Amino acid sequence: EIVMTQSPATLSVSPGESATLSCRASRTVSSNLAWYHQTPGQTPRLLIYSASTRATGIPARFSGSGSGTDFTLTISSLQSEDFGVYYCQQYNNWPPGYSFGQGTKVQIK
Amino acid sequence: QVQLQESGPGLVKSSETLSLTCIVSGVSIHSTSYYWGWIRQPPEKGLEWIGSIYYNGNTYYNPSLKSRVTISEDTSKNQFSLKLTSVTAADTAVYYCARPMGEGIVMPFDSWGQGALVTVSS
Repeated sequence: EIVMTQSPATLSVSPGESATLSCRASRTVSSNLAWYHQTPGQTPRLLIYSASTRATGIPARFSGSGSGTDFTLTISSLQSEDFGVYYCQQYNNWPPGYSFGQGTKVQIK
Repeated sequence: QVQLQESGPGLVKSSETLSLTCIVSGVSIHSTSYYWGWIRQPPEKGLEWIGSIYYNGNTYYNPSLKSRVTISEDTSKNQFSLKLTSVTAADTAVYYCARPMGEGIVMPFDSWGQGALVTVSS
């Protein structure tokens, strides 16, 4: 089983600033890495797949990079709706299946 | 456009079996080749993939839950189901059903149900 580790656990950012989130896999997942965003009481929303491709309707201020074991999600010029928890997910190790990171909470500074 | 809706009891007694159904509309689960999935999220915690079922009935389970999980599809209805046996308080969570973004390949989930809170009581 591949373990996904996200850092930091919490990130305090002022609106308009940028944020950089990290995700590390315990072994290579190639580019089969996705990022989701979730706000309280809402379902997760897919942001990025294949490590760097934005999902439909996702603004250009979200960008993903990396391959192998180390990945980064960058959010430039944070908007109020961007606060919440971000999860990475690998889908390379199939079977057995998907695994998620524990999440990074982006909160208002 | 696909829509998913979880259905089932919101309260299950400890040691009993949790049963949920995902009702799918907008696409046939039997004539499209998606890996339909179940994911859960304990209160104030992260996401955990439970398992997935392919349109041909093949199933894939999280190794940590495999001994207690069964995912099946209803061939007469456009829905698939989750059974989790011998539940404990640790199984209290919001349970989501979801569909990945592409057919025939393993991809991230881009369509989710609204989620169903299941509480395990002693």
